[in-house]
Amino acid sequence: GQQVMQIPQYQHVQEGEDFTTYCNSSTTLSNIQWYKQRPGGHPVFLIQLVKSGEVKKQKRLTFQFGEAKKNSSLHITATQTTDVGTYFCAGNSGGSNYKLTFGKGTLLTVNP
Amino acid sequence: NAGVTQTPKFRVLKTGQSMTLLCAQDMNHEYMYWYRQDPGMGLRLIHYSVGEGTTAKGEVPDGYNVSRLKKQNFLLGLESAAPSQTSVYFCASTPGVSGYTFGSGTRLTVV
Repeated sequence: GQQVMQIPQYQHVQEGEDFTTYCNSSTTLSNIQWYKQRPGGHPVFLIQLVKSGEVKKQKRLTFQFGEAKKNSSLHITATQTTDVGTYFCAGNSGGSNYKLTFGKGTLLTVNP
Repeated sequence: NAGVTQTPKFRVLKTGQSMTLLCAQDMNHEYMYWYRQDPGMGLRLIHYSVGEGTTAKGEVPDGYNVSRLKKQNFLLGLESAAPSQTSVYFCASTPGVSGYTFGSGTRLTVV
């Protein structure tokens, strides 16, 4: 079945440093989504990427979808303590059941 | 507009007991999902539903049953709880071509 690998598993940064997490799928994706889960909370939808090579920005967050639609990245510029949490990518291989396969996530901690 | 509501939020069960987790959404979403989250394992799909009256198995369905008698509700049942089912359970829903909305989770401990 489809597998979605995410690296790194953990990342600790000093406040103000940049952060990137990478996501790779074993199959070509119809679209990819990103979620953020704060400690003790539930996953919250951030964004969906659909087109090959697509780049989207949300303030300090930049999301990219690879040309082959098998990989994606999330980059945070100048991290803040509010960025702490686990970031998940989730791939959709298409079809009518809209079933996502989640990566295991990257836990980001930020030292103030 | 409450979104996705899960009940209960916390529960402790003894091995062999049964229970039902309720997920209710008020967004008229067609698709609903049950996930479990364990440390280092990410989110694993248990069962899902593509519409009222339908259910399908996900990645880790053993030991669980589900029902979707009404569009807004998706029930997850544990017939005979085992310690391996200690986890955080999340329900999610989506209209189809957009992101999932997750509930706040149920923290289940089986002793």
